[in-house]
Amino acid sequence: AQKITQTQPGMFVQEKEAVTLDCTYDTSDPSYGLFWYKQPSSGEMIFLIYQGSYDQQNATEGRYSLNFQKARKSANLVISASQLGDSAMYFCAMRGRTGGFKTIFGAGTRLFVKA
Amino acid sequence: DTEVTQTPKHLVMGMTNKKSLKCEQHMGHRAMYWYKQKAKKPPELMFVYSYEKLSINESVPSRFSPECPNSSLLNLHLHALQPEDSALYLCASSHDPGYPTGELFFGEGSRLTVL
Repeated sequence: AQKITQTQPGMFVQEKEAVTLDCTYDTSDPSYGLFWYKQPSSGEMIFLIYQGSYDQQNATEGRYSLNFQKARKSANLVISASQLGDSAMYFCAMRGRTGGFKTIFGAGTRLFVKA
Repeated sequence: DTEVTQTPKHLVMGMTNKKSLKCEQHMGHRAMYWYKQKAKKPPELMFVYSYEKLSINESVPSRFSPECPNSSLLNLHLHALQPEDSALYLCASSHDPGYPTGELFFGEGSRLTVL
């Protein structure tokens, strides 16, 4: 069975500093995708970054990077130079053949950026 | 602006009412999804349509009835709901349902309150 674990219910970070949001996963699929989504208080889920299980390099998208450690089954999100607008809920997600390519989500981490 | 449009944004209904949630995307995506999200929880998959056919029903009660009239539209018909069905209902789409690389594109959600 597939599983995503986010162990940080809430995180605080000072504006302009970097923050790491943790995510571990479990799957028996040889091929899978890992995703991070942001959900502001408005409700919309916003796709941030994707990492494929066969990708050799860590994914980066602007201020977002994904620290992918396949052997440890971790896919941590790093946000550099935090901004007040980064305050939101962040979900780690996975998609693979097991479970019919359904996207499953972790419990989420609430990030608070302090001015 | 989101490319997945959901209407209405807010809906209040009684337990005997019949209402519908609507979702539209014009990105040419072949998979569309309904998720239910309770407060402070991750989204939970309800239904998946793949090439306009229902491919996944996550044992959702029959008071929720999905419909995919064409590749751009997805409806969720609601009838005889219970107060515990109050939640944020998110529609999403993806390029292809059968590969792990496909990120989900979400709408802003329809916030449903059942009295």
